[in-house]
Amino acid sequence: ILNVEQSPQSLHVQEGDSTNFTCSFPSSNFYALHWYRWETAKSPEALFVMTLNGDEKKKGRISATLNTKEGYSYLYIKGSQPEDSATYLCAFTNAGNNRKLIWGLGTSLAVNP
Amino acid sequence: SAVISQKPSRDICQRGTSLTIQCQVDSQVTMMFWYRQQPGQSLTLIATANQGSEATYESGFVIDKFPISRPNLTFSTLTVSNMSPEDSSIYLCSVSGARGGVDTQYFGPGTRLTVL
Repeated sequence: ILNVEQSPQSLHVQEGDSTNFTCSFPSSNFYALHWYRWETAKSPEALFVMTLNGDEKKKGRISATLNTKEGYSYLYIKGSQPEDSATYLCAFTNAGNNRKLIWGLGTSLAVNP
Repeated sequence: SAVISQKPSRDICQRGTSLTIQCQVDSQVTMMFWYRQQPGQSLTLIATANQGSEATYESGFVIDKFPISRPNLTFSTLTVSNMSPEDSSIYLCSVSGARGGVDTQYFGPGTRLTVL
């Protein structure tokens, strides 16, 4: 069974704090790791897709790293803003599973002004 | 990236009834997918909507319960049939430009369904 785990489940931070979340996935037969941001009543928005061990991606104040050998990815937000409040989802694709996305439960982030 | 709209955005339905959800994309796409997210659960793929042929359903999902249409490359519908409270979920359609791979999927805003 392919399982994706995210931690923490939820997080409350103050504006200006930096934060990070973890996504754990099976390391065997890895193909790609995706991060999405999902704000309430909006469409999930793609942030990053990473394929290579050691990949680092950055988009503004948000960055992500990937370790395929040990099966984890970190998402970092520097200087959190209230507009960063959302659920952050990661999804894993396995080369042997017809490359379907297997999703974690997400980390719900609330940034207080 | 594709712009995707869904109708309705939310609905409250009685058990035993059916609801059809529409997904419209602003460009022609090869792959369209239907997902649901039940309360406290992760996003789960229901089926891949294939243009010109029957949808491909994931394990645990059947055509009689979730009939799907894909009449062209920009539109698809998902029907939730004979609903029960367990069908209360967010239903999302998504698109991808290619078959699998690392292509990003783009999502609609979702349909929030409550079954009483």
